[in-house]
Amino acid sequence: EAQVTQNPRYLITVTGKKLTVTCSQNMNHEYMSWYRQDPGLGLRQIYYSMNVEVTDKGDVPEGYKVSRKEKRNFPLILESPSPNQTSLYFCASKDRGLYTEAFFGQGTRLTVV
Amino acid sequence: GIQVEQSPPDLILQEGANSTLRCNFSDSVNNLQWFHQNPWGQLINLFYIPSGTKQNGRLSATTVATERYSLLYISSSQTTDSGVYFCAATGGGNKLTFGTGTQLKVEL
Repeated sequence: EAQVTQNPRYLITVTGKKLTVTCSQNMNHEYMSWYRQDPGLGLRQIYYSMNVEVTDKGDVPEGYKVSRKEKRNFPLILESPSPNQTSLYFCASKDRGLYTEAFFGQGTRLTVV
Repeated sequence: GIQVEQSPPDLILQEGANSTLRCNFSDSVNNLQWFHQNPWGQLINLFYIPSGTKQNGRLSATTVATERYSLLYISSSQTTDSGVYFCAATGGGNKLTFGTGTQLKVEL
């Protein structure tokens, strides 16, 4: 089954404690991205990756890091989480080419206290 | 970048009623998708529809790219249809820009 898998689904952590949210896709897609969703602000792109070892900032990259060492994986790293990073996070992937559909993971609900 | 607007922002229906949700976009699109966000927060792909019409059970969607809008039709609504419906589009790139959503509540 084609899917994008995120882990964990839910996470409560403390300010400053480094964490990683994993994302994996099994569709051999080249393009992957991370979004965060906040009330009143909608879904905004954090980072994206066009291919292995190619990443770039989205609209709200501050406080986040990503890596793309393998095509299937695109982890989101919060080196020093802060309460304003409490949000619902989504990973997405799509095939190369403009006219292709994007697929989203199940979401990760992160709370930073 | 492309802008996406959805209407109405909120909608309350009685079970069995039909509804139409609208999505306007500001520029030419190469990707137009509809999603349903369920009460658990999951984004469910409904349609990938940069142009034309598609149907899936009680749901159908139409995109008129030349006039820069898309419509999502829900027929014979059920309580399980409740949630937020998002339209998202890309214009010339890969980044999906989301609308602000339509919050749908279906009551018995």
